[in-house]
Amino acid sequence: EDKVVQSPLSLVVHEGDTVTLNCSYEVTNFRSLLWYKQEKKAPTFLFMLTSSGIEKKSGRLSSILDKKELFSILNITATQTGDSAIYLCAVEPGNQFYFGTGTSLTVIP
Amino acid sequence: SQTIHQWPATLVQPVGSPLSLECTVEGTSNPNLYWYRQAAGRGLQLLFYSVGIGQISSEVPQNLSASRPQDRQFILSSKKLLLSDSGFYLCALVLDRAYTEAFFGQGTRLTVV
Repeated sequence: EDKVVQSPLSLVVHEGDTVTLNCSYEVTNFRSLLWYKQEKKAPTFLFMLTSSGIEKKSGRLSSILDKKELFSILNITATQTGDSAIYLCAVEPGNQFYFGTGTSLTVIP
Repeated sequence: SQTIHQWPATLVQPVGSPLSLECTVEGTSNPNLYWYRQAAGRGLQLLFYSVGIGQISSEVPQNLSASRPQDRQFILSSKKLLLSDSGFYLCALVLDRAYTEAFFGQGTRLTVV
């Protein structure tokens, strides 16, 4: 059975802290791993990772994939209150997109 | 660019009543379409996906059904709602090409009372 597990489930940090969110997976026919940010309604796309060891970066956010150990991390540096959201990891083994439980991040001033 | 329309935004329905949620897509053709449900503060559970008209794959056996009567229309239905059907329902599309992300609608928050 395909499975995506995220940790921690929730996290509270102060502005300026650096956070690392984890996503491990077990899927057959892996094609890609995606990260999303969900603030209120629709999740918004952050990164797609298909190859091991290649870091994707956007501003203060970065992510990397390890296809041997079957996990990915999402790093956020110098966190801001606007980073407060649920961060979702998904894997795509073909036509389906399977999501993890999400990590709820709260950044306090 | 593609757009996903979902309605209604919120819905309160009594137990045992029927349900019909509609998702329509603009700006693309032949997309893969998905229905997800999200419990409060949790991840997304894949309910159904469709790769074409009339083609529905069910991921979780339950009280719900889905249909795709047209290329850009995806409908989630129930004949009799249960309390456990409450949640946030999201429609998503994936463009008909490899290595592309899923785009989401704004969702419908369903409360069964």
